[in-house]
Amino acid sequence: QVQLVESGGGVVQPGRSLRLSCAASGFTFSSYAMHWVRQAPGKGLEWVAVISYDGRKKNYADSVKGRFTISRDNSHNTLDLHMNSLRREDTAIFYCARDLASDFWSGYPGGINFWGQGTLVTVSS
Amino acid sequence: QSVLTQPPSASGTPGQRITISCSGSSSNIGSNYVFWYQQLPGTAPQLLVYRNNDRPSGAPDRFSVSKSGTSASLAISGLRSEDEGDYYCAAWDDSLGGQVFGGGTKLTVL
Repeated sequence: QVQLVESGGGVVQPGRSLRLSCAASGFTFSSYAMHWVRQAPGKGLEWVAVISYDGRKKNYADSVKGRFTISRDNSHNTLDLHMNSLRREDTAIFYCARDLASDFWSGYPGGINFWGQGTLVTVSS
Repeated sequence: QSVLTQPPSASGTPGQRITISCSGSSSNIGSNYVFWYQQLPGTAPQLLVYRNNDRPSGAPDRFSVSKSGTSASLAISGLRSEDEGDYYCAAWDDSLGGQVFGGGTKLTVL
C-alpha cells in the first residue's frame, strides 16, 4: 500500500534552515507529482509546493517562494523540502502528499490523493 | 484568509443528511476538479471524494459531491458519530499555479 513517511522536523530558531524528507513506498514514485502541504497549530491546510514526476517543474506558494525549495530523488524514492530563512509563522505540521497525476498544468484533472502522517516544525527562539 | 470559502462549522443528528458548501472562483472551482478531504481529530487528512463522485478504495458512498459554476458542495447522508471531524475542499488554481484549500468545516454530530 502507499506509504509516505516524513522526517526532519524539530525546533529551529528564526532565520535558520531545516530540511524535511519524505520516504515513499508502495507505488512507482517516479510516476507521480508530489506536494508539500502544511497546517499551523489549530489552523487549516495550506499548500506549500508541488514538483512534477521528473522534477523539471516546480511551483510554490507565495508565502514560501524564494525561501523554500522542493526536490526529489527518483532513484531513492524520496521527496525533500529545503527551508531557509524560517519565520515563526512557518510553525506547522508539514505533510508530504502524492498527486493523482504525474504532472500539473492549468486545468489538469489531478489533485492530492494520499497524505503522509506529517512532521512538526517549530520555529522559536 | 483562504482562497476557497467554507462555513466554519456544521452540525447534524445521527441519520440526518447535511451539506457543506465550498465557494471559489473561475480560476479554481470554475475550471478544475474539486477534491474533499476528511481530517479526524489528531490524524492526517484523507481523501474522501473527488471529481465526479470518484472515491478512493474504502470510502463510503454516504459521501457525495456536486458542483455548479464556481461553487461545490459535499453531502453526507446517514450521519454517524464517527463522521465528526474537519472537512476541507480543494482545487487547483490556474492563476496561482497551485492547490488552494478552503478554511475547513468542523462537523459536529449531536
